[in-house]
Amino acid sequence: EPEVTQTPSHQVTQMGQEVILRCVPISNHLYFYWYRQILGQKVEFLVSFYNNEISEKSEIFDDQFSVERPDGSNFTLKIRSTKLEDSAMYFCASSETGGYGYTFGSGTRLTVV
Amino acid sequence: AQKVTQAQTEISVVEKEDVTLDCVYETRDTTYYLFWYKQPPSGELVFLIRRNSFDEQNEISGRYSWNFQKSTSSFNFTITASQVVDSAVYFCALSEPNAGNNRKLIWGLGTSLAVNP
Repeated sequence: EPEVTQTPSHQVTQMGQEVILRCVPISNHLYFYWYRQILGQKVEFLVSFYNNEISEKSEIFDDQFSVERPDGSNFTLKIRSTKLEDSAMYFCASSETGGYGYTFGSGTRLTVV
Repeated sequence: AQKVTQAQTEISVVEKEDVTLDCVYETRDTTYYLFWYKQPPSGELVFLIRRNSFDEQNEISGRYSWNFQKSTSSFNFTITASQVVDSAVYFCALSEPNAGNNRKLIWGLGTSLAVNP
């Protein structure tokens, strides 16, 4: 069964550093998402992406965040200057139909120290 | 605004007991989708079920069953004869339309289920 692949599975970074979280969505999917889950809390929407542009972003997704689909297969989330409160599990998801079903990656656990 | 409420924060049962996880949602949309996901201790999100707003049939999959009641805006999940491997956090989620067909998921806070031997 096709999978969404996220790398790395775990990243530790120093506060103020830039991080790039990578995702390879399912090849025929057109809709892409990033969600965040702070440890022990609920899953929160960050951003959705379609047709090479952001469809919607949440209030969490401020100027420190950006997304890109650089080469037609990868979908990346960049955090420019990480803060301690950015420590969380970040999930990438893709969808063929934009809402009927989603496939989630296994997540990247980001630890900011 | 769309909202998903899972009132039960934690549930603890003994193996083989039946357990029901509650989910109540709010939406002004007539077309929407409801989901349940399981998050085991390893952290990944495991898809369990999707239900669209026009299909009120209950569903059974092995020991899992779901009761969708539009009249009460509820989409409850029952595990029959629970097992230790069912221990996880369970999330109920609602898809919300935005521009075009690109729907994001609105999540409940999750219910942490502990099944004890």
